[in-house]
Amino acid sequence: KNQVEQSPQSLIILEGKNCTLQCNYTVSPFSNLRWYKQDTGRGPVSLTIMTFSENTKSNGRYTATLDADTKQSSLHITASQLSDSASYICVVRTLDSNYQLIWGAGTKLIIKP
Amino acid sequence: DTEVTQTPKHLVMGMTNKKSLKCEQHMGHRAMYWYKQKAKKPPELMFVYSYEKLSINESVPSRFSPECPNSSLLNLHLHALQPEDSALYLCASSQDVVSEQFFGPGTRLTVL
Repeated sequence: KNQVEQSPQSLIILEGKNCTLQCNYTVSPFSNLRWYKQDTGRGPVSLTIMTFSENTKSNGRYTATLDADTKQSSLHITASQLSDSASYICVVRTLDSNYQLIWGAGTKLIIKP
Repeated sequence: DTEVTQTPKHLVMGMTNKKSLKCEQHMGHRAMYWYKQKAKKPPELMFVYSYEKLSINESVPSRFSPECPNSSLLNLHLHALQPEDSALYLCASSQDVVSEQFFGPGTRLTVL
């Protein structure tokens, strides 16, 4: 069964600190993996997209990694800011006829001053 | 214009009401989507339109009726909803069904 699992479920860190969010998937066949940021009550916004051959991709203070062999991805946030408080969702797209999106449950990140 | 817009932002309706949610994009995207999102859960796909034709209906109850009048507009008609239908309804669009989806801000729906 295609699944995406994220950890931790929630995380509280102090402003200025770094953090890493994890995503493990059992999706086959794999097409790509995206990390979305979703503010409460708003639509998701794409942070990064990674294909099978990519190991690392950065977007400002966000750096995503992908290990296609172990089917793991991480999102590292550097020098966190209050505006980083949001849910971060890992989404994997299948490479079958439906090109289905498999959504993780998300990690709720809270940045405290 | 590089965004997806949704109206209204908030909607409160009774179980006997008929209302519609609207979504618009002017990015030339040919695929449009409706998602339902409950609190602390990821979005759940409801409908997919590709080139203005309904291509995916994820077994959504008939009280939700989608409509795609043209390539820029997507509506979701609501009738005889239940309180458990209260959720954030997200619209998204993409160049085609395999490209990255861009999401609107959502409509917060409350059914009394």
